[in-house]
Amino acid sequence: KAGVTQTPRYLIKTRGQQVTLSCSPISGHRSVSWYQQTPGQGLQFLFEYFSETQRNKGNFPGRFSGRQFSNSRSEMNVSTLELGDSALYLCASSFAITLGLAYEQYFGPGTRLTVT
Amino acid sequence: TQLLEQSPQFLSIQEGENLTVYCNSSSVFSSLQWYRQEPGEGPVLLVTVVTGGEVKKLKRLTFQFGDARKDSSLHITAAQPGDTGLYLCAGAYADNYGQNFVFGPGTRLSVLP
Repeated sequence: KAGVTQTPRYLIKTRGQQVTLSCSPISGHRSVSWYQQTPGQGLQFLFEYFSETQRNKGNFPGRFSGRQFSNSRSEMNVSTLELGDSALYLCASSFAITLGLAYEQYFGPGTRLTVT
Repeated sequence: TQLLEQSPQFLSIQEGENLTVYCNSSSVFSSLQWYRQEPGEGPVLLVTVVTGGEVKKLKRLTFQFGDARKDSSLHITAAQPGDTGLYLCAGAYADNYGQNFVFGPGTRLSVLP
């Protein structure tokens, strides 16, 4: 079974530009979550999508947005890039499950975004 | 707000030594996951523990979930250079929107040959 894939793996952008990152979850997984990882802040939750709807959102400015398509693939967009947006952006997929049951997230390799 | 703490933050040991990494919280979690992450890559799921007091073994790695489901430990026996990486614990909890995860800051392990 193929794992979570993310494209591109590396990206260099200039301040003020916008960027779109893509994530394809494991086949059959309907939930996709996005995280930002930096050395100083660790792994921080951006948002989660399930069945094309944003189900949960972390504490990030509105410049960070996302969407999910009917095939569960997801994209995240960052507009008006700032130097502080340089980070490893990780996507994780999981099955959608009933509340109260344990479930597991599987991560992709990440997209390394550098803003200059 | 659910928070997870991990200790130690950094650990550098010689090949063959044993070590234990801790993951602690004041919150109760429905399950807890351990991940290992190598530089420039995504975290790889090692194990999920669900039941209070549960112990799981994965070759030289032993994972334990606290009785109250608020803490966990990871013990590595006879560490090898291939164990080097960032070890992350993540606690799962439910709210009105579904399952959520909170991650600890990680323990960076370096095993020297």
